[in-house]
Amino acid sequence: EIVLTQSPGTLSLSPGERATLSCRASQSVSSSYLAWYQQKPGQAPRLLIYGASSRATGIPDRFSGSGSGTDFTLTISRLEPEDFAVYYCQQYGSSAWTFGQGTKVEIK
Amino acid sequence: QVTLRESGPALVKPTQTLTLTCTFSGFSLSTSGMCVSWIRQPPGKALEWLALIDWDDDKYYSTSLKTRLTISKDTSKNQVVLTMTNMDPVDTATYYCARTSIAAALNAFDIWGQGTMVTVSS
Repeated sequence: EIVLTQSPGTLSLSPGERATLSCRASQSVSSSYLAWYQQKPGQAPRLLIYGASSRATGIPDRFSGSGSGTDFTLTISRLEPEDFAVYYCQQYGSSAWTFGQGTKVEIK
Repeated sequence: QVTLRESGPALVKPTQTLTLTCTFSGFSLSTSGMCVSWIRQPPGKALEWLALIDWDDDKYYSTSLKTRLTISKDTSKNQVVLTMTNMDPVDTATYYCARTSIAAALNAFDIWGQGTMVTVSS
């Protein structure tokens, strides 16, 4: 089973700043099968990015994904107040899906 | 509009079997490329994928939980059912069902239900 490790655990930033979130896999992941989600308190996760770099329907272009192999990145170019949340990466491989442990983006 | 809704007991006793139902609308699970998964999240913790069933009735399970899980579908009712045996307090979590549409978002979970909280306690 592929293990995803997200860093940092918590990111303290101000609105308008740039956020860079990392997701590292224990073995190579197909770029087609790496996704990112946003979760706010009391809500279900929302798909942001699939295929490592494709934005899901309705997702603003300040969210972007990149990476390949074992290292993937979610970037939020300019944080809006509604972007403070927990972010999870997720992969599919060998008939199994796994999630990272999450990165919390909090207001500084 | 695609929606999914989870239903089931809010409280189960240790050793009991949990049965959860996901009722969905806006798509058909008989359409090629459509799948429904169950995913859970203990309070304050990360997401954990449990099981997936696809349009062809193929089933996939979490390696660590596969002996306790069964997933099935009733295409005519637009429902997916998950059973989990031998429940334990560590299984206390919010349980989500989520859609995968390979055409829309490859193997990601593009639409989620609101989740149902299950507490395991005597």
